[in-house]
Amino acid sequence: EIVLTQSPAITAASLGQKVTITCSASSSVSYMHWYQQKSGTSPKPWIYEISKLASGVPARFSGSGSGTSYSLTISSMEAEDAAIYYCQQWNYPYTFGGGTKLEIK
Amino acid sequence: QVQLQQPGAELVRPGASVKLSCKASGYSFTSYWMNWVKQRPGQGLEWIGMIHPSDSETRLNQKFKDKATLTVDKSSSTAYMQLSSPTSEDSAVYYCARMGDGFFAYWGQGTLVTVSA
Repeated sequence: EIVLTQSPAITAASLGQKVTITCSASSSVSYMHWYQQKSGTSPKPWIYEISKLASGVPARFSGSGSGTSYSLTISSMEAEDAAIYYCQQWNYPYTFGGGTKLEIK
Repeated sequence: QVQLQQPGAELVRPGASVKLSCKASGYSFTSYWMNWVKQRPGQGLEWIGMIHPSDSETRLNQKFKDKATLTVDKSSSTAYMQLSSPTSEDSAVYYCARMGDGFFAYWGQGTLVTVSA
C-alpha cells in the first residue's frame, strides 16, 4: 500500500497570501488527485490527474508534481479556501493523505 | 445531474450487521465503478472498495475484506455496502463515490453509522 504524507498538517494564511500544500508518496505514482472538504460536508474533487482543475474550481488553484512529490498551490488565499485538503493516489488500494487543514490567519 | 442519495444516519447494535444504500441517478448506473469511503469523526479518508454495477466485479481494500460486502441492484440503480459484526471502530461516516477519470468525481452526502447498544 502506498502511504501519502501531507505537510503541513495544519497551516494558516493571510488573505492574499500564497499557499502550498505538499503530498509525498512512499512509492512513485503516476497521478495524484486532490479533494477539498469543509466541515459537515462531503469531500469535493478539486484537482485531478496532477494539475486539472475540477469543475468550478477557481483558477488561483494549481497542482503540480511527479513521481513521489506533489503539491497544491493557491496563488492568493481567499476566505472561501479555508478547508481541509486531501491528496489521493490512484494505484490499488487507493489511499489518501492525512489531510491539511488550511485556516485564515 | 449526477446524484448519489444516502440515508443520513443509521444506529446499529454491536454485532448486528447493517446494510448501507446509495441510490444513483442522472447517469448510466452500469457504466461507472462505485466506491465506498470511510471517515471516522475528525479523521481522514479510507478507501473501502469498489464495485462495477455491470457485472458486480468487486475490488476491496484488504483491510476491509472481512468487514465489508459490496453489492448492487441494477433495477433500482442502487449500490449497497453491508458491514458485518460492527464494533465501535466502525462508527463513522460512510460515503459512496462514483469514479470518473480515475478519481472520485461525485460523492454522496454520507451516512453516519453509530454503533451503540
